[in-house]
Amino acid sequence: DGGITQSPKYLFRKEGQNVTLSCEQNLNHDAMYWYRQDPGQGLRLIYYSQIVNDFQKGDIAEGYSVSREKKESFPLTVTSAQKNPTAFYLCASSETDLNTGELFFGEGSRLTVL
Amino acid sequence: DAKTTQPPSMDCAEGRAANLPCNHSTISGNEYVYWYRQIHSQGPQYIIHGLKNNETNEMASLIITEDRKSSTLILPHATLRDTAVYYCIVRSTASKLTFGTGTRLQVTL
Repeated sequence: DGGITQSPKYLFRKEGQNVTLSCEQNLNHDAMYWYRQDPGQGLRLIYYSQIVNDFQKGDIAEGYSVSREKKESFPLTVTSAQKNPTAFYLCASSETDLNTGELFFGEGSRLTVL
Repeated sequence: DAKTTQPPSMDCAEGRAANLPCNHSTISGNEYVYWYRQIHSQGPQYIIHGLKNNETNEMASLIITEDRKSSTLILPHATLRDTAVYYCIVRSTASKLTFGTGTRLQVTL
């Protein structure tokens, strides 16, 4: 079945540690996205990528980094520079040009900083 | 992208139609209206989208006013499984969406 897989589903981290969240899609989509969601809030865009080896900052990119070495993979690293990293992280993908296409979301990764 | 305004919460009896409103008075001519929903602790799910005309699919109907300044998502026969947060989004050709806080729909027996 085609879809988006995020891992791990739950992750705990100590302050000062970097952590990488995995996102893989087998939908052959060119565009991929990372969102952050805090309790009771909407989604906020962290980074997005329209094509392999290219990505752009979203609204809240500080303290995060990404790579897009393969079409199907778009990992997100939460660095120690992120002041408040505890959140629910969602990865999404779509066909090139989001003008009329829908976003497909993964099931999310919940990060807790201890 | 245009900003949207949605009521924070709504209730609906099971089996009844759920009508979720959305105001987008600053929408531009090339911006689409999208609806997604999010069941607790899951990824958002696409429901429907439209530009000018009303749209219907197996999940819902989307009614867009003639001036395009507001729209209504209609779930014709709500079930308990439709309890979720519903997001209305308007978007142009920019390659990103902006999700607000949505409407929390509670379907009751």
